[in-house]
Amino acid sequence: GAGVSQSPSNKVTEKGKDVELRCDPISGHTALYWYRQSLGQGLEFLIYFQGNSAPDKSGLPSDRFSAERTGGSVSTLTIQRTQQEDSAVYLCASSLRRTGYEQYFGPGTRLTVT
Amino acid sequence: DAKTTQPNSMESNEEEPVHLPCNHSTISGTDYIHWYRQLPSQGPEYVIHGLTSNVNNRMASLAIAEDRKSSTLILHRATLRDAAVYYCILITQGGSEKLVFGKGTKLTVNP
Repeated sequence: GAGVSQSPSNKVTEKGKDVELRCDPISGHTALYWYRQSLGQGLEFLIYFQGNSAPDKSGLPSDRFSAERTGGSVSTLTIQRTQQEDSAVYLCASSLRRTGYEQYFGPGTRLTVT
Repeated sequence: DAKTTQPNSMESNEEEPVHLPCNHSTISGTDYIHWYRQLPSQGPEYVIHGLTSNVNNRMASLAIAEDRKSSTLILHRATLRDAAVYYCILITQGGSEKLVFGKGTKLTVNP
C-alpha cells in the first residue's frame, strides 16, 4: 500500500519568508510525527500528533514553528520568517499505535533557506 | 529514556551474516528494543522490535539476551543495499512517543 508522502520534496526559500510543508500519513495511522535532520546530524523530534491533537510539542524550536493536523490525516508544518538555521531535511512519520511503536517515515522535504 | 551503546562502525562482506550488537544495561521492564536504519540520503526505516523474546521478520532477526541488557540485530545475508546506519533505541511503553537516535552503527558491505 501507499507509504507516507511529503511535499514538496525540495524547497528553496529566501530568509524571512514563510514555508508550509505537507505530510500525508499512511491511511488509518492515528499517530503522526515531525522530525528534522540537519546535514550529518541525528534526528531531532519536533512534534507528535495523536489524532488531531498534539500531546507533545516540546521539540518545536521556537514560536516561528507551528503544525496542525486535520481530519486525523494530513498534517502541515509551517515555519514563519525562515532563518538559515532552519535549513534541514524535515521528516514526517506515522504509526498505527495499536500495533506498537514502529514509525514509518516519508522521504522528507529538503528545506534550504538562502 | 534509557541509553544504548553501539559500535561506531562495522564491516561485512556481501552474502555473509552480520551481527550488530547493542548494549542497554539500564533498560527497564517496560522498554521495548527497537531497531531502525537509515540508508544514505533517505529517511529512517523501521527494521524490527522486541520486548523479551527473539523476533524474526522478513528483514532481520532480533536476539535479546536473557537479562535484556543487550541485544543483537542479525542480517542473515548482507546485501549492498543493507549498507546504512543502524540505530538501536529503547522506547518505553506508555511513555514519550518520540524517537531519539544516538550515533548508531555505520555498516559497510563489501562486494
